[in-house]
This record gives sequence, structure tokens and C-alpha cells, in this order.
Amino acid sequence: KAGVTQTPRYLIKTRGQQVTLSCSPISGHRSVSWYQQTPGQGLQFLFEYFSETQRNKGNFPGRFSGRQFSNSRSEMNVSTLELGDSALYLCASSPPLGTSTDTQYFGPGTRLTVL
Amino acid sequence: AQSVTQPDIHITVSEGASLELRCNYSYGATPYLFWYVQSPGQGLQLLLKYFSGDTLVQGIKGFEAEFKRSQSSFNLRKPSVHWSDAAEYFCAVAMNTGNQFYFGTGTSLTVIP
Repeated sequence: KAGVTQTPRYLIKTRGQQVTLSCSPISGHRSVSWYQQTPGQGLQFLFEYFSETQRNKGNFPGRFSGRQFSNSRSEMNVSTLELGDSALYLCASSPPLGTSTDTQYFGPGTRLTVL
Repeated sequence: AQSVTQPDIHITVSEGASLELRCNYSYGATPYLFWYVQSPGQGLQLLLKYFSGDTLVQGIKGFEAEFKRSQSSFNLRKPSVHWSDAAEYFCAVAMNTGNQFYFGTGTSLTVIP
């Protein structure tokens, strides 16, 4: 079974631009979560989508948004990029166990650099 | 508020030596507990998880972890480390409903020959 895939793997943008990152979960997984990883803050939860609905949300500004499609693929968007948005963005998918937590399987991440 | 503490930012061990990475959590109830490993430039790989039952859980790559409710701890152990174990290790907790994970800040492991 193919793992979680994220595209693109690397991205360079300038301040003020916007960016869209994509995540394809493991086949059959309906929950997709997004995390931001930086050296200073570690892994921080952005949001989680389940069946096209945002189920959980972390403490990030409204510039960070996401969505999930009917095939469970998810995108996250960051508008008006700031230098501090430079990070590794990780996507994780979970098996379909309803509202029960199981295990999150992570993709390789997208490395975003904001200049 | 939920929190996960990994007290050791960086650990150095000799190849063949034993290893213990510490993890403590603050939570209202017994959460689900996980250990992940991250190699440079890579995503996170699940090492092991604890949901319930036997408090000593076995994982991949020869790792094990023990859940101690009285200490709110979930320490990761390996009897003999290999040079390939050098990586960043993350402890994580989650409630048994929903999928919001809380991660510790990680422990960086260096293995010297």
C-alpha cells in the first residue's frame, strides 16, 4: 500500500505570496492532519479533516486554511506568507475508525522557505 | 492543558550501549501514547504505540516502551543501539476521541562508534 504523499517536496516563496500544499493519504484513510515543524517550536498541530469537514483546529492565524476533497486528498493554503512561516509541513493520515484515535502515518513533508 | 515533556534535548550514546529516552505527559485521563522517529529531511515513522493492556509494548527496530501511570511516563528503551538509530525521537499523546496529537519537543540521538 502506498504511503502518504506530499507535493511539492520543496518550495521557495517570497513574503506576501500565498502557497498551496497537497497531501494524498493512504488509500482508505479518511482523516488527514497537518502539522508545522520548526526548530524553535517543534511540531505544532494545524488542523485535522475527516470526511471533508474540519474536525480539529490548532492555534494558528486565519492565514492558514485547509480543505479536504471527497477522495480524502487534502490541501492546505497559507496566504500572505511571512518569514516565520518557513518550516517543514507534515501531513498525516489515519485509518477509518470513526471518532476513535488510532495511529497517524506521516508523509515526508513539504519544506517551505519564505524569503 | 495537555502537554508532553521530553526532558532530554540531546543524548549521545556509544554504539552497543543501552538507551532510554524519557517522556512525561500531563493529561486528564490516560491518553493514547506513541513514539515516532524522524531521520533528517524525512517524515515521522511510528516506532510503537500504547492504547491499553500490557504496559510494556514492543515496537519496530528493537525498541520497547513502558507506560507507568503513577509517573505519567512512557519511556522508550533499546538494549543495544546501532549507528543507524541516530535520529530525532518524538513522544506523542492523543485523546481516545478525535485525532489531535500533542508532540514533545523531541530528543536528538547521536550514536558514536
